[in-house]
Amino acid sequence: DAGITQSPRYKITETGRQVTLMCHQTWSHSYMFWYRQDLGHGLRLIYYSAAADITDKGEVPDGYVVSRSKTENFPLTLESATRSQTSVYFCASSEGLAGVEQYFGPGTRLTVT
Amino acid sequence: AQSVTQLDSHVSVSEGTPVLLRCNYSSSYSPSLFWYVQHPNKGLQLLLKYTSAATLVKGINGFEAEFKKSETSFHLTKPSAHMSDAAEYFCVVTSFSDQTGANNLFFGTGTRLTVIP
Repeated sequence: DAGITQSPRYKITETGRQVTLMCHQTWSHSYMFWYRQDLGHGLRLIYYSAAADITDKGEVPDGYVVSRSKTENFPLTLESATRSQTSVYFCASSEGLAGVEQYFGPGTRLTVT
Repeated sequence: AQSVTQLDSHVSVSEGTPVLLRCNYSSSYSPSLFWYVQHPNKGLQLLLKYTSAATLVKGINGFEAEFKKSETSFHLTKPSAHMSDAAEYFCVVTSFSDQTGANNLFFGTGTRLTVIP
């Protein structure tokens, strides 16, 4: 089905482990985004990508790594997970940045113990 | 610098009464403004957007918002609340700087709307 999907939907991991969250979109949108959602902070942008092999930092990039070898995929990796990275992570895509609607995935709830 | 402030973290209204969710923004450049809604355990869905056209913007489900540059506000309203409107609402500002080439995107912290039967 067309749309934007995230996997896994739920993940529990231990401190220090590497975790990769997957995001896939079928619209061939140029832009893709990763956000984290925490109580009291709303959504904060972690990284975004304007096209394959082009990524840029958002508001809270520390502790995260992204890559975009294909237009449709935008994985987010926590190289050494910490408890402060316990959050709900949303992936989004759009045809542009300013002034353009973003389409959101269903989210991944990550718990770091 | 760009930012967005949602003035109320929680709003409670009775079914059938008007809804007002307040949003103020700060932007050095011509902003685009959005309202998104998030129902429990769901992703975000676009309600409406302002991109320098008409200042009164109509969205889905009877919501609308008015861009007021003099007040740097973009408040969301609905004449009559429905039970299905209970959700979290996010105000978003985006802007592109021709000077720096930077794209900026900021979400407000959200307003939880409760609708009382």
